[in-house]
Amino acid sequence: GAVVSQHPSRVICKSGTSVKIECRSLDFQATTMFWYRQFPKKSLMLMATSNEGSKATYEQGVEKDKFLINHASLTLSTLTVTSAHPEDSSFYICSATGTLPSYEQYFGPGTRLTVT
Amino acid sequence: LAKTTQPISMDSYEGQEVNITCSHNNIATNDYITWYQQFPSQGPRFIIQGYKTKVTNEVASLFIPADRKSSTLSLPRVSLSDTAVYYCLVGEAGSGGYQKVTFGIGTKLQVIP
Repeated sequence: GAVVSQHPSRVICKSGTSVKIECRSLDFQATTMFWYRQFPKKSLMLMATSNEGSKATYEQGVEKDKFLINHASLTLSTLTVTSAHPEDSSFYICSATGTLPSYEQYFGPGTRLTVT
Repeated sequence: LAKTTQPISMDSYEGQEVNITCSHNNIATNDYITWYQQFPSQGPRFIIQGYKTKVTNEVASLFIPADRKSSTLSLPRVSLSDTAVYYCLVGEAGSGGYQKVTFGIGTKLQVIP
């Protein structure tokens, strides 16, 4: 089956620094990638949708200048949390989808971000 | 996006069949119904997807009535390893062929020995 990886799996950073999370589709071309955030015991919240080579579409309430998303190739998308604060601590999950006919999203294993 | 409603939690004994029903009254014509499973601190894992009637794969069955306003995920003979949160998603088809979905709260299934 299709595999999506994320790197790093865990990261701890100091408040005010920036952190980059990578999401890669390993065996298929991901025309669209999604970034989610999940707080403990809560559901996944969609942050943004990105298509290769174009600007990401952010969901309402998500600061695009704080959460920078780049989808430079069909196998790689990155999420950069800029000037991180403790409230940004969360589980960040990416997913990728290819082309029709399936609408299945393939999810990465997630990245645990802790901001101290 | 169609909103989904599903039970917050369910308990089941090992070996039993588990049915989780999801309501999606505002489902649109081109929406697909997809179910995912998530273990703690892991990304969701695809279980099954359908549009109408019945779909079956090696791990589950999905029953969708004719009006498509609900769907039922059926897990045959659950084991302890099936303890997880199960999400029912209904997504609209994007112009690029992707499905934008909204996760609800999910159903936390606890399998009891």
